[in-house]
Amino acid sequence: GAVVSQHPSRVICKSGTSVKIECRSLDFQATTMFWYRQFPKKSLMLMATSNEGSKATYEQGVEKDKFLINHASLTLSTLTVTSAHPEDSSFYICSAREDRGQNSPLHFGNGTRLTVT
Amino acid sequence: SQQGEEDPQALSIQEGENATMNCSYKTSINNLQWYRQNSGRGLVHLILIRSNEREKHSGRLRVTLDTSKKSSSLLITASRAADTASYFCATDRTGTASKLTFGTGTRLQVTL
Repeated sequence: GAVVSQHPSRVICKSGTSVKIECRSLDFQATTMFWYRQFPKKSLMLMATSNEGSKATYEQGVEKDKFLINHASLTLSTLTVTSAHPEDSSFYICSAREDRGQNSPLHFGNGTRLTVT
Repeated sequence: SQQGEEDPQALSIQEGENATMNCSYKTSINNLQWYRQNSGRGLVHLILIRSNEREKHSGRLRVTLDTSKKSSSLLITASRAADTASYFCATDRTGTASKLTFGTGTRLQVTL
């Protein structure tokens, strides 16, 4: 089945530094990838839609300068949390949909646990 | 506001029993999907039901969809300890460029 690889799985960084998270579709092409944030025991909150070769579309309330998204190829999207603060600590999950039409499911990475100290 | 509200928030059953989770949503949809999440991991797609379908089966899973009531249910039959996880419904809303909106989730605990 389709596999999405997310790296790193865990990262601890100091306040003020930037962290990059990678999301790769390993055996399919994805013109669109999605980045979610999840708080403990809560649902997933869509942060942005990453579009290959164009700018990401951010959801209301998500700072685009804070969460930089780059989708440079059909198999790779990156999320960079810039100038991280402790309140950015969270579980970040990416997903991708195979380009098989509207009713194809999302495939998720295993998430990245970010802790900002 | 939350598109998907799930009920119950938590469910504890014994192995062998059936587990039923419900999901309600507010807007028109193209399809509704159910996902499973083990603690600290990503989500795994379980089943997708289109807006013109009423029921779908996959192994021990049975999903129903009632678009008139804007609700769906997920039934897991003959549950196993390995089914312990959080289950989320997600709606692909009409006119939202296939972005999924997730429900609040049901945490299922299956004990031996």
